[in-house]
Amino acid sequence: QVQLQESGPGLVKPSETLSLTCTVSGGFIDTFYWSWTRQPAGKALEWIGRIYSSGNTHYNPSLQSRVTLSVDTSKNQFSLKLNSVTAADTAVYYCARDAMGTYYYGMDIWGQGTAVTVSS
Amino acid sequence: DIQLTQSPSFLSASVGDRVTITCRASQGISSYLAWYQQKPGKAPKLLIYAASTLQSGVPSRFSGSGSGTDFTLTISSLQPEDFATYYCQQLNSYLSGFGQGTKLEIK
Repeated sequence: QVQLQESGPGLVKPSETLSLTCTVSGGFIDTFYWSWTRQPAGKALEWIGRIYSSGNTHYNPSLQSRVTLSVDTSKNQFSLKLNSVTAADTAVYYCARDAMGTYYYGMDIWGQGTAVTVSS
Repeated sequence: DIQLTQSPSFLSASVGDRVTITCRASQGISSYLAWYQQKPGKAPKLLIYAASTLQSGVPSRFSGSGSGTDFTLTISSLQPEDFATYYCQQLNSYLSGFGQGTKLEIK
């Protein structure tokens, strides 16, 4: 079955760029949307954005100025870049498959999450 | 931006109880709503999509209803494994957002 795995540095310095990659295994990245969501410790989920396999993107307006999503279909991967990070960006970051069509089918497959700390 | 408000934020209940969690959207979102369950240290799990459709493999004691601005998640008879935090999530004009969560605790 389809599985997702996040990867990237667990520690990022303030003002630098957070970069994470999600690898899709057991299936192809084509014809689905793929989302990033984060969760600070003890707090609610926050949707960051989504990307279609064609490269079409939708971003959370509150993060749009700092976020870039990209996709590499040849590697079955999609990526997140968040620039100018601060301590407020410290969170567990999740990637997920995001199914949309006639209805919204929800985020049905999630990675296990990766913890990122912003600290000098 | 559309805001989702869940109530209650905390809920204490016993095994066997019937519980209902409400999610209210700040403007109409038709049926573009999903519900998730999250346990500590784990990724969220999709329970319900399109407001009322049960995701494959999810027990039938979970049900969802509503459309427009008011939605509910009901667990008909709580089981020990149901104690977790629940989130609603909306999709509108290709943007998404989550509610603040409802933590369901054992009484």
